[in-house]
Amino acid sequence: DAGVIQSPRHEVTEMGQEVTLRCKPISGHDYLFWYRQTMMRGLELLIYFNNNVPIDDSGMPEDRFSAKMPNASFSTLKIQPSEPRDSAVYFCASSLYGGDEQFFGPGTRLTVL
Amino acid sequence: GENVEQHPSTLSVQEGDSAVIKCTYSDSASNYFPWYKQELGKRPQLIIDIRSNVGEKKDQRIAVTLNKTAKHFSLHITETQPEDSAVYFCAPKFLRNTNAGKSTFGDGTTLTVKP
Repeated sequence: DAGVIQSPRHEVTEMGQEVTLRCKPISGHDYLFWYRQTMMRGLELLIYFNNNVPIDDSGMPEDRFSAKMPNASFSTLKIQPSEPRDSAVYFCASSLYGGDEQFFGPGTRLTVL
Repeated sequence: GENVEQHPSTLSVQEGDSAVIKCTYSDSASNYFPWYKQELGKRPQLIIDIRSNVGEKKDQRIAVTLNKTAKHFSLHITETQPEDSAVYFCAPKFLRNTNAGKSTFGDGTTLTVKP
């Protein structure tokens, strides 16, 4: 398996633009997690899904952020409108069954100017 | 929610020495205790984990010990090598049969191993 796949790897956009980050989990994994990593706030869990259903989105910072998982092999994290403080590395991770070991994707480095 | 603290925040050792990083958590229901390693510019990767029914686990040069009563667990690295230089995160959680539960990552410990 290729592991967790994320795209794009780097995104530079201007304030106010819509940003869409994409993730393909490892085949057969039924949990998918979205994290944000910054120097100031560390690694924060934004939202996670089980069998494509959002279970906990309490980490989503505000209404500008939304996440979907239309099927078992694809998830998106959308920011609309984007702001400079959204600049961070966004990781997607997936895990199997009980959600113990999480396998992280390579991350998307987002820069909002 | 879970409060997680790691100590120290930075650690510098000479190659060949041992390193110990401690993670303190608040939720007594936590039953899964992993350590992740993140090299510069890379993704976090699991290096060792332990469940609450075990007090210690070893894998070559790394080990994890758990004290459920005191609510802390520690990462031990022996015979450190320069390639051990990275940021280490703990992420205790409560695993249920029906729900993975939420992971709260510690702030990380930056380990530097000097050759």
